[in-house]
Amino acid sequence: ETGVTQSPTHLIKTRGQQVTLRCSSQSGHNTVSWYQQALGQGPQFIFQYYREEENGRGNFPPRFSGLQFPNYSSELNVNALELDDSALYLCASSWSGFPRNEQFFGPGTRLTVL
Amino acid sequence: DQQVKQNSPSLSVQEGRISILNCDYTNSMFDYFLWYKKYPAEGPTFLISISSIKDKNEDGRFTVFLNKSAKHLSLHIVPSQPGDSAVYFCAAWGLNTGNQFYFGTGTSLTVIP
Repeated sequence: ETGVTQSPTHLIKTRGQQVTLRCSSQSGHNTVSWYQQALGQGPQFIFQYYREEENGRGNFPPRFSGLQFPNYSSELNVNALELDDSALYLCASSWSGFPRNEQFFGPGTRLTVL
Repeated sequence: DQQVKQNSPSLSVQEGRISILNCDYTNSMFDYFLWYKKYPAEGPTFLISISSIKDKNEDGRFTVFLNKSAKHLSLHIVPSQPGDSAVYFCAAWGLNTGNQFYFGTGTSLTVIP
């Protein structure tokens, strides 16, 4: 059984560019949640995908968008990058969107915006 | 608006002693709480949880206490081991939060051998 994987591990972009981050969920999981963790902060919920549909969204602007594919892997897209988007982006997979089902986190993608 | 707060950024404890990590919350609708542990370059891993219908949950060396009236929870690690050195996050969820978990800012625990 493979765990949650994310790619790339590190990324450097400039302001105004667009970025796509990828997440492969753990085998058997159909739900992926994305989080942003700024330096010195806890993870902040961006959104969740359940069976390819957005299933909840945190307080992030529309330039943060996502996709979930039939194999339940997921992408996070961020348009018009801003300096404050520099952070560790974590994805977590779980079975169903039920909050009490344990979430398994990937190691994250470190995004730096210059 | 920080609904979950961990006011101690760091904590150092001698090996074998008790580690107590604290967490406060403001949303009275939260009814499920979790603790995660995070090592550098790894994602957070689930440690222990507690539902609001309980005031204590124990799993081996780890015990979580919930005081609903004070909107406070704590994680006790006894005895502390050097391998427990990590950042600990508390997180909360409630029926009015949709699928969103709210995380605290974390406490970095160092267990000194």
